[in-house]
Amino acid sequence: QKEVEQNSGPLSVPEGAIASLNCTYSDRGSQSFFWYRQYSGKSPELIMSIYSNGDKEDGRFTAQLNKASQYVSLLIRDSQPSDSATYLCAVIRTGTASKLTFGTGTRLQVTL
Amino acid sequence: DGGITQSPKYLFRKEGQNVTLSCEQNLNHDAMYWYRQDPGQGLRLIYYSQIVNDFQKGDIAEGYSVSREKKESFPLTVTSAQKNPTAFYLCASTRGSNYGYTFGSGTRLTVV
Repeated sequence: QKEVEQNSGPLSVPEGAIASLNCTYSDRGSQSFFWYRQYSGKSPELIMSIYSNGDKEDGRFTAQLNKASQYVSLLIRDSQPSDSATYLCAVIRTGTASKLTFGTGTRLQVTL
Repeated sequence: DGGITQSPKYLFRKEGQNVTLSCEQNLNHDAMYWYRQDPGQGLRLIYYSQIVNDFQKGDIAEGYSVSREKKESFPLTVTSAQKNPTAFYLCASTRGSNYGYTFGSGTRLTVV
């Protein structure tokens, strides 16, 4: 079992729709969770972080964390073509200080 | 503006040659990291350093070496022992486990 799992996609959504990206993790003691956006050929950029169960909203983005189910998700409302990118889920596992473990990413395509 | 600078952006290595990738940050972060990304893959940790003059191996350290003589600098050497070095190399830093990483723009290394 991979430490952080994501569906590779592509996930295709029409412009204006809600995109839902999902991530599961294996270490039940994981503490901090992050979503990064990576455009093709570019480096990842941090878009959301979440540390406690529930929802966290920032503009069009909402991160959701369910530690009991070991599940973290990212919702993108009113999806735009500029949201087309690969979204990486990253987790700080127990006892690893600030080391991030990344999933392989989900490619999102927002269609006109 | 504060940030992380990686150079060069593109690097070509001949067989049997050592090459060094530069990473400099002016964010005053203690912790720095090197990741490798292969096409369609997630990020894999090569080396990390949480303080000057100290560093630890990550998951795929074989064939690589690092130094951390200054807080601002964390260069990565890809040695001839690394048999498949063609990849996108990313340097990152953080001020702590609740802040996520800031990434440099990356170096794309190709073996010729």
